[in-house]
Amino acid sequence: AQTVTQSQPEMSVQEAETVTLSCTYDTSESDYYLFWYKQPPSRQMILVIRQEAYKQQNATENRFSVNFQKAAKSFSLKISDSQLGDAAMYFCAYRSVYNTDKLIFGTGTRLQVFP
Amino acid sequence: DAGVIQSPRHEVTEMGQEVTLRCKPISGHNSLFWYRQTMMRGLELLIYFNNNVPIDDSGMPEDRFSAKMPNASFSTLKIQPSEPRDSAVYFCASSPPTSGKSSYNEQFFGPGTRLTVL
Repeated sequence: AQTVTQSQPEMSVQEAETVTLSCTYDTSESDYYLFWYKQPPSRQMILVIRQEAYKQQNATENRFSVNFQKAAKSFSLKISDSQLGDAAMYFCAYRSVYNTDKLIFGTGTRLQVFP
Repeated sequence: DAGVIQSPRHEVTEMGQEVTLRCKPISGHNSLFWYRQTMMRGLELLIYFNNNVPIDDSGMPEDRFSAKMPNASFSTLKIQPSEPRDSAVYFCASSPPTSGKSSYNEQFFGPGTRLTVL
């Protein structure tokens, strides 16, 4: 069975600085999808960025980028030029491409942004 | 686009009462997911449907929980009888049909229902 691990329960960053959130996963599959979701205090789950395992190029969405290391089974999220609105819980998630639409979530990292 | 709609947003009930949570997926989406979020266990998938058919209900905690999807635009999650340990935020999510290997089948989440069982 696949598992997703986020080893940082909490992180903090100052406004305008850069922060990296860690995520590792375990799978025997060769193809899959990886996601980062943001959950602000409003509770709404918002997709931040996604990556297909067969693509070597790291995904980028404006200030958000990932460092996808397939061999190491690592999928970290980098937030550049942090803003107060980035403060939230961030969840890493895995989805197989085979036979299932299930998302497997990590336990989350709470990000605080200080002015 | 209205997004995934859940009702109620908040529910407070007493132990032993029946609770029904409702979800309307995004129009055109054919997969629907029910998740539970607690501090202790994080986000757990309870059940998901594809084309209104339950595909995987292995996450449903026990017989007190049941879910239905009578049509493509409506699903319910029912807890009967409710217990204090059922207190959590329950999310519904939907995703569009698969369109090839490169389809992410991104899941779009509703705002959640915060359930408190006293």
